[in-house]
Amino acid sequence: DADVTQTPRNRITKTGKRIMLECSQTKGHDRMYWYRQDPGLGLQLIYYSFDVKDINKGEISDGYSVSRQAQAKFSLSLESAIPNQTALYFCATSDSRTGAGETQYFGPGTRLLVL
Amino acid sequence: AQSVAQPEDQVNVAEGNPLTVKCTYSVSGNPYLFWYVQYPNRGLQFLLKYITGDNLVKGSYGFEAEFNKSQTSFHLKKPSALVSDSALYFCAVRPNRDDKIIFGKGTRLHILP
Repeated sequence: DADVTQTPRNRITKTGKRIMLECSQTKGHDRMYWYRQDPGLGLQLIYYSFDVKDINKGEISDGYSVSRQAQAKFSLSLESAIPNQTALYFCATSDSRTGAGETQYFGPGTRLLVL
Repeated sequence: AQSVAQPEDQVNVAEGNPLTVKCTYSVSGNPYLFWYVQYPNRGLQFLLKYITGDNLVKGSYGFEAEFNKSQTSFHLKKPSALVSDSALYFCAVRPNRDDKIIFGKGTRLHILP
């Protein structure tokens, strides 16, 4: 979805480095999410935010932190990257006003390689 | 524990044949069910959802899915497959209105020319 952008699209880093992945959306949605995708494991939820003042851990939050700078921006940080954090990372948004049929909209992904 | 299962890692179908991608779920209450598709080098795209009402749900690109409460299934179907349908398909469930969505591990669909 072009209304959800992620930067960078690709990143190579070394073990121990701190990196930040950024997500921005122009959809006006209140909820934002960070997932990682590994082959055969599907999508795993890292963190999610239901509004600017609300941050929650997902299934695999260890080694990650997030910041919701504004309704439209949600950043994911790896404080000290390790090789098993090599994965494809997706940001997603949703609108709580749509109720039970709330659908998530995904960004194009960031491919991260930790050497 | 609440979960969603996609029992097939990969499904191969000849072009023009009907296709089915299977999904079963294990949640209490009345869940909300979704299918998403991921094309190469792209994020997930919403295909269709079941909230309530008619058990047969129609979605994008000619896909449909049938909700079967007794079998706790939500299989994705298409009457005639296209090569362009080749992609990774994810089933997802939201156990209740305010719950987070739970994704299956995905099924890779190959449509053979």
